[in-house]
Formats: sequence, structure tokens, C-alpha cells
Amino acid sequence: GAVVSQHPSRVICKSGTSVKIECRSLDFQATTMFWYRQFPKKSLMLMATSNEGSKATYEQGVEKDKFLINHASLTLSTLTVTSAHPEDSSFYICSVSPSGGGETQYFGPGTRLLVL
Amino acid sequence: QKEVEQNSGPLSVPEGAIASLNCTYSDRGSQSFFWYRQYSGKSPELIMFIYSNGDKEDGRFTAQLNKASQYVSLLIRDSQPSDSATYLCAVTGTASKLTFGTGTRLQVTL
Repeated sequence: GAVVSQHPSRVICKSGTSVKIECRSLDFQATTMFWYRQFPKKSLMLMATSNEGSKATYEQGVEKDKFLINHASLTLSTLTVTSAHPEDSSFYICSVSPSGGGETQYFGPGTRLLVL
Repeated sequence: QKEVEQNSGPLSVPEGAIASLNCTYSDRGSQSFFWYRQYSGKSPELIMFIYSNGDKEDGRFTAQLNKASQYVSLLIRDSQPSDSATYLCAVTGTASKLTFGTGTRLQVTL
């Protein structure tokens, strides 16, 4: 499988601030990465598909101006939660797919965000 | 109707027994099916994937797919306490996106 890292693993911030989460593909070049969010005892929900060199594709109901995604290189995608609010507190997980088409996906360790 | 449905559990099995986890999906055009294991507070870990009808075995794990009935299952033989986790079923539909079920919590008791 693919090796994926995320940073930070845990972050606590004040309401109104912005938080950047990094996702790195460590053992292959990923033209596509995926960002998910998981609330307690809920399923993973796809937020957006991050595409290297182009704009991310957001799922219905996900505000693209609030959740900024940048995929500047083949190994790094970042998710910035802007003007965070307590309801944004969640477990954010990225994934990569070696095939690039969203088939078998390997997940990073996740970032737990708590907005006070 | 949810796209991917799983019984939330908990499913409790004694150590050494077979654990049977089930999943149904609504998109008849689904192509690929995955089982992930998620320990509390951790991200999902891929266990198995299956594309064709029938059984696929990998060690103690067997995935079973029946496209006509739109269900996929995961059998865990010789269950161990370390198997205690939430098992997520995921399906790739016609849009090539992974859709997850809410997961079944498995408890393997001593």
C-alpha cells in the first residue's frame, strides 16, 4: 500500500482563526488526493478531490471558500479551514489512490481539529 | 435509502470464532468494494478489496461479493481481541468515488 503522512496530527484553535493541514504522499507521486471528514460515530464523508496543478473538485454542500485546497506538487496537498468555528471540529483525513482514479485508496493518519 | 448500509453493532464474538460482517449497497452500477478497519481514534486501514462475484481470501479474512443481491460481506476466521475495531464497507460507484457505510463495531471477547 501507499504511505501517507499528515501534519499536524492534532490541533486546537480559537474560533475565527484558520488552520492548515498538510497531506503528503511519501512513496509515489499522487496527481489526485482526497480529503474526508469524519464526525464522531459517523461515516467518512468525502469533502473534495484535490488535483495537482488544477482546482479541487468539491462535493455538494462543501464550501470551497471555507475549505481551501492547494495541490501544488505531486506529493503535497493542503487543506486550510478558514475562519474556523466549533462546528468545524472533526477528524480530517486525506487519502491517495495509486491508480489515480479513486479506486483503492490509502489513508493518512488523520488530523483531529478542535475549535474552541 | 442510504447508499451503503451496515449494521452499527456492536457485534460481539468470542475469541477464536468466526466474525461475519455484512454490507448492502444501492448503486447497482458499483464496480469495486472495499473493507477497511478503523481503530478508535485512528484512520481507516485497508483490509481487502473485491471486484468480482464470489469469494476472495487473504489470510484470516474472506470477502464475499454478490452483485445480484447487492451485498458484500467480510468473514474473519479465528477472531482475535486485536480484531476489535470498527469495520467500514466502502463502494466505488459509477462516479468512481468511494462511498462509506457507517461501519460495524466488532468486539472480540476473551
